[in-house]
Amino acid sequence: TVVTQEPSFSVSPGGTVTLTCALNSGSVSSDHYPSWYQQTPGQPPRTLIYSTKTRSSGVPDRFSGSILGNKAALTITGAQADDESHYYCVLYLGSGISVFGGGTKLTVL
Amino acid sequence: QVQLVQSGAEVKKPGSSVKVSCKASGGTFSTSIIGWVRQAPGQGLEWMGRIIPALGITNYAENFQGRVTITADKSTSTVYMELSSLTSEDTAVYYCARDPAYRSSPRWYFDLWGRGTRVTVSS
Repeated sequence: TVVTQEPSFSVSPGGTVTLTCALNSGSVSSDHYPSWYQQTPGQPPRTLIYSTKTRSSGVPDRFSGSILGNKAALTITGAQADDESHYYCVLYLGSGISVFGGGTKLTVL
Repeated sequence: QVQLVQSGAEVKKPGSSVKVSCKASGGTFSTSIIGWVRQAPGQGLEWMGRIIPALGITNYAENFQGRVTITADKSTSTVYMELSSLTSEDTAVYYCARDPAYRSSPRWYFDLWGRGTRVTVSS
């Protein structure tokens, strides 16, 4: 099973960007409990979104999660310079197994 | 406030094993689930497996089946990840992370992360 994310994305400061997370075996749904993590170099990941759309404590509301079509999605509205990071999704596949997507490198310029 | 404190960096020979620990400081694992994630240099995050310490139940990613063993010592609130038959491709930072399970029922995400343990495999 492969979870696919866009390798890279660019957004202008103040702009809106939607990153997606797809499953090669079919559609992503809330039953996959999509979660999203932000990681800057040399740091452990930071939890942004869980259970599709619930923001983790302290996460600004410019980050939102959803299901768009057959993919999980992370939307950043009003991007800021310090949003420039790698973003990873995780999907639960069942039988106690989860898998990370390959990650998206977001550039804000 | 609970923190996950991981053991220090390791340098291992190819073919050997490594055992990394993750201790809950300021709390316990009593109803949580602990997972392990690794990140090779310049690469993405990779889910390895998890354990429900209260029940001793483990699940492992297919890529690591037969090579990884995750155990828990409830008395010290410490979880261990042992990876055997190491090769250079196992050189990575290994993170433990907590699933904030409710009464050992998973919520399928990580809300708390350790700082990571660097494992280098080199002859």
